[in-house]
Amino acid sequence: QSVLTQPPSVSAAPGQKVTISCSGSSSNIGNNFVAWYQQLPGTAPKLLIYDNNKRPSGIPDRFSGSKSGTSATLGITGLQTGDEADYYCGTWDSSLNAAVFGGGTQLTVL
Amino acid sequence: QIQLVQSGAEVKKPGASVKVSCKTYGYTFTSYGTSWVRQAPGQGLEWVGWISGYNANTNYAQKFLGRVSMTIDTSTSTVYMELRSLRSDDTAIYYCARDGGSSFRDNWGQGTLVTVSS
Repeated sequence: QSVLTQPPSVSAAPGQKVTISCSGSSSNIGNNFVAWYQQLPGTAPKLLIYDNNKRPSGIPDRFSGSKSGTSATLGITGLQTGDEADYYCGTWDSSLNAAVFGGGTQLTVL
Repeated sequence: QIQLVQSGAEVKKPGASVKVSCKTYGYTFTSYGTSWVRQAPGQGLEWVGWISGYNANTNYAQKFLGRVSMTIDTSTSTVYMELRSLRSDDTAIYYCARDGGSSFRDNWGQGTLVTVSS
């Protein structure tokens, strides 16, 4: 059981927008920055968002992040078939003194 | 450019140990820590622990205390992770990743598959 809770799957049509939620607690999301990762099939995770809403260089602005209280959200607009992947949220848990991740959300672009 | 290049796949018997290496390129090794994250087949990401590239301080996940050791070689900018007393449920892809901050890993290795099977 993951410390952070994500929906197992989401889907949307090409060109549409999708959001993926990540729920935690005051010991993790509530008091630490959140990151989001994209994992394409058979590849290593790739950082999409860090510090709640910042994008590393090279990540298109179709990807956005936000945080409110003990929850965070990843938004993806203008969906493309190449966006089909697993998406993970992650943060630090101050009580566990450990990095923690969500269970992952599989995105299907129909 | 920044790269983390890991050693090749390993097959081990239950009870054995495995040592995975992660050679880094393209940044000042001593300025960053490195985390190890594993992913069992069909499962999510699990943080194993972290080591400082500056002073080799470590922080291991509670689950792995007593079984894992992380070390560094600053002369070659390489990080090592050793996992002992292997069990079948340790079968996973093990990733090294550079820590951009406590809350995120900004560059990842390609992964090393460790298979534990009798």
